[in-house]
Amino acid sequence: DIVMTQGALPNPVPSGESASITCQSSKSLLHSNGKAYLNWFLQRPGQSPQLLIYWMSTRASGVSDRFSGSGSGTDFTLKISSVEAEDVGVYYCQQFLEWPRTFGSGTKLEI
Amino acid sequence: QVKLLQSGAALVKPGDSVKMSCKASGYTFTDYIIHWVKQSHGKSLEWIGYINPYSGDTNYNEKFKSKATLTVDKSSSTAYMEFSRLTSEDSAIYYCARGNWGYWGQGVMVTVSS
Repeated sequence: DIVMTQGALPNPVPSGESASITCQSSKSLLHSNGKAYLNWFLQRPGQSPQLLIYWMSTRASGVSDRFSGSGSGTDFTLKISSVEAEDVGVYYCQQFLEWPRTFGSGTKLEI
Repeated sequence: QVKLLQSGAALVKPGDSVKMSCKASGYTFTDYIIHWVKQSHGKSLEWIGYINPYSGDTNYNEKFKSKATLTVDKSSSTAYMEFSRLTSEDSAIYYCARGNWGYWGQGVMVTVSS
C-alpha cells in the first residue's frame, strides 16, 4: 500500500498568516498522463471531510482561492494564505493512484 | 443538490453485525461509485471499499475483506454496508462518499459494547 506521511504545523497559526502543510507519498503519484493523483481534504470539528484540492493543484468547486496545492511526484504542499477562523480543523492528503486508497494521518490547524 | 444521507447511530454487542445505509439524491445514482471510509475516534481515515451501483461490482481494502459487505438497492438509490463479527476495534464513524470524493454523508457512529 502507498503510505502517506504528513507534517505538523507550528500551532497556533496567527490569523492572517500563511500556513503550509506537507505530505509525502511512499511512491510517485505522477501518472503517465502528467497528473498527480493526490487529493486534499479538510475536516472541520464535528463535520465530514470536505474535498479542497484534487489532481494536486485543482481547487474543488466553491473552495476559496486562499487554498493552493503544489508538489512533485512524492512531495506535496497545501498552502493556505491568510488563515481565517473557518480554516480550523484537520487536513488530510489522500492518494488515488492505486488501490487501496490511502490517507495521511492528518495535520491539525489551530488559530 | 447532491446529498448522501446516512442512517443513524448504532449501539451493538460484540460478535453482532450492523448494517448501515447511505441514501443518495440529487444525481443519477448509477453514474458514480460509492466509497465507504472508517474513522476511528480521533484518528485518520481508512478506505474500506467501493461499490459500483450500476454493475454491483465491488472492490475492498484487503484489511476489510472479511469484515465488510457492500450492496446497493438501485430502486431506492441507497447503498449499504454490513459490518460483521464486531469487536471494540470496529467502534468508529463510518462515512459514505461519492465517486470523486466531492460529496460525503454525515457519518454513522457505531459503538460496539456489551
